[in-house]
This record gives sequence, C-alpha cells and structure tokens, in this order.
Amino acid sequence: GENVEQHPSTLSVQEGDSAVIKCTYSDSASNYFPWYKQELGKRPQLIIDIRSNVGEKKDQRIAVTLNKTAKHFSLHITETQPEDSAVYFCAGTETGANNLFFGTGTRLTVIP
Amino acid sequence: KAGVTQTPRYLIKTRGQQVTLSCSPISGHRSVSWYQQTPGQGLQFLFEYFSETQRNKGNFPGRFSGRQFSNSRSEMNVSTLELGDSALYLCASSLAPSGIEQYFGPGTRLTVT
Repeated sequence: GENVEQHPSTLSVQEGDSAVIKCTYSDSASNYFPWYKQELGKRPQLIIDIRSNVGEKKDQRIAVTLNKTAKHFSLHITETQPEDSAVYFCAGTETGANNLFFGTGTRLTVIP
Repeated sequence: KAGVTQTPRYLIKTRGQQVTLSCSPISGHRSVSWYQQTPGQGLQFLFEYFSETQRNKGNFPGRFSGRQFSNSRSEMNVSTLELGDSALYLCASSLAPSGIEQYFGPGTRLTVT
C-alpha cells in the first residue's frame, strides 16, 4: 500500500515569514494529494488539494507543488499569521479510491 | 448545508464491550470513509462505504466493522474493545468515491478503560 512521509514534524516561524512542509509518497498510482489543517480539539479541515495532472496550485497565501517524477509534494504558506498555527497533514490516494494515506503531521507554530 | 455530524461525541467503555458510532454525511454526499486518529499511529483509514457497499478496507482486525444505510448515514462498530482502541474516530464524506474532496466530522472520542 501507499506510504506517505512528512517532514518536518515541528516547525516554528516568525509571523510574516514563509513555512514549507514536504511530503513524499511511494505508490506511483497515487494521483490525488490533499492537505488538511487540524487545530487543537477540532476536526481536520481541507485547505488545498492537487491532482497529478497539475504541477502547482495556489489559493491566496497557500500553495501546493507536486513533482510526480520524484514523488514528492509540498505545502507553502506565505506571510504566516498566528492563526496558521496548527497541525498540518498531507495525504495521498489514487483516483477511484477514497482511502487517504496520511503523513504523520507537522506542528506549525507561528510566533507573533 | 450542514456539515458532517457524528454521534456521540464522547464515549467511555470498558474492555470487552462493544460500541457503535454514527456518522451523517453532508446532504447529497454518498461516500463515507472512517479513520482512526491516535497520537502514536496518526490518522489511519478504516473503511469506506458508497451506496451501502464497502469499497475499501484498511488494515484493521475484524472487530472493526461498518455499514451504510440507504440515506448514506453510516455506522461503525467495534466489538470486544481493547485498551488500544482508545482513539478519536473520524468520518469523512464526499460526493463520490473518486479521490475528491473529503470533509471530516468532529469525531467521536472513545476511551476504553
């Protein structure tokens, strides 16, 4: 089955700086890669996703890039704000399936 | 539209008992997936249902089972509870089982003593 690895496990940045979280996957059949944000005590919230026919996707301060050849994808958050502090999870699955394989999470702390 | 709802939100059971958790998907969503979240193992896929049929199953023992009703509501059952089953159980709904956006419910926090 799919194996998704995520780095770093913790990340601290100053408010206004950028944050980058990286994930790698093992199954070349995986072609859908969502990112979830989970605040303490709350449900995971889908923040952005990308499919394998696209190399990059942006939504305001958030962007995701995908390198199919290297089997890795990254989340980029620019101009970070304290409310960005949360645990971020990457995941992957193949089209036609809804069994998401999650990375182990990155705890992002934005220091005011 | 109302979001995904799960009941109950909190549950305390003792070893050996069984438990049933419920999930109501977003209106119009027909696919429901279940995940277990623990500090040690992270988020792990349990199973997925679409049109009352289990489509995929994760690597969990047979004590974990589920079903889906004609109105797309889903239940999962854990029999013969073990201490290691203590976790946050999350369900997620999506329009269809085709690798598209999944939206999570608030989860059920199960504690096994």
